[in-house]
Amino acid sequence: ETGVTQSPTHLIKTRGQQVTLRCSSQSGHNTVSWYQQALGQGPQFIFQYYREEENGRGNFPPRFSGLQFPNYSSELNVNALELDDSALYLCASSLAGASSYEQYFGPGTRLTVT
Amino acid sequence: GDSVTQMEGPVTLSEEAFLTINCTYTATGYPSLFWYVQYPGEGLQLLLKATKADDKGSNKGFEATYRKETTSFHLEKGSVQVSDSAVYFCALSDRGSTLGRLYFGRGTQLTVWP
Repeated sequence: ETGVTQSPTHLIKTRGQQVTLRCSSQSGHNTVSWYQQALGQGPQFIFQYYREEENGRGNFPPRFSGLQFPNYSSELNVNALELDDSALYLCASSLAGASSYEQYFGPGTRLTVT
Repeated sequence: GDSVTQMEGPVTLSEEAFLTINCTYTATGYPSLFWYVQYPGEGLQLLLKATKADDKGSNKGFEATYRKETTSFHLEKGSVQVSDSAVYFCALSDRGSTLGRLYFGRGTQLTVWP
């Protein structure tokens, strides 16, 4: 069973640039959620994708957008990067309909905005 | 809205000491409850879970009981090891329209000395 993978591992961008982060879900999972974890904080929910559509969004501006592909992998795009976007971005996959809605996390992408 | 309040750290213990990390929650429905662990430089790993009131989750010597009457899910371990040093996050899962969205506490840093 393949776990959740994310790429790249680390990324450094300049304020105002755009970034794309990628996530491959665990085998058999059809739902992908993205979280932002600022230094010293708990992860915050950005949005979730199910059946290639956004299925819920946290308190993040529209410059945070995403995609889910037919193979259930996903992308997180952030436009007009700000210094406060520096964080660990975590992807989690799950199986819709499972009783506990258990989510499995990838190792994360560390984004630094300078 | 749904939220989790977690005991603030850091917590420093000697090996073989007893561990308690307090967690309380606020939820409109009947959430599932989780403890996740994050080792340095890594993503989140599910430690244990409970899906209904009075359930006890357990794994690797850690335990937590879902207490609906006190809205709590405290993490305990009878004898900690140096390898348990990590950040621990309490979380609840929304069973609403967003499939398993997780609400996290701020995390508790645990350091165990030999």
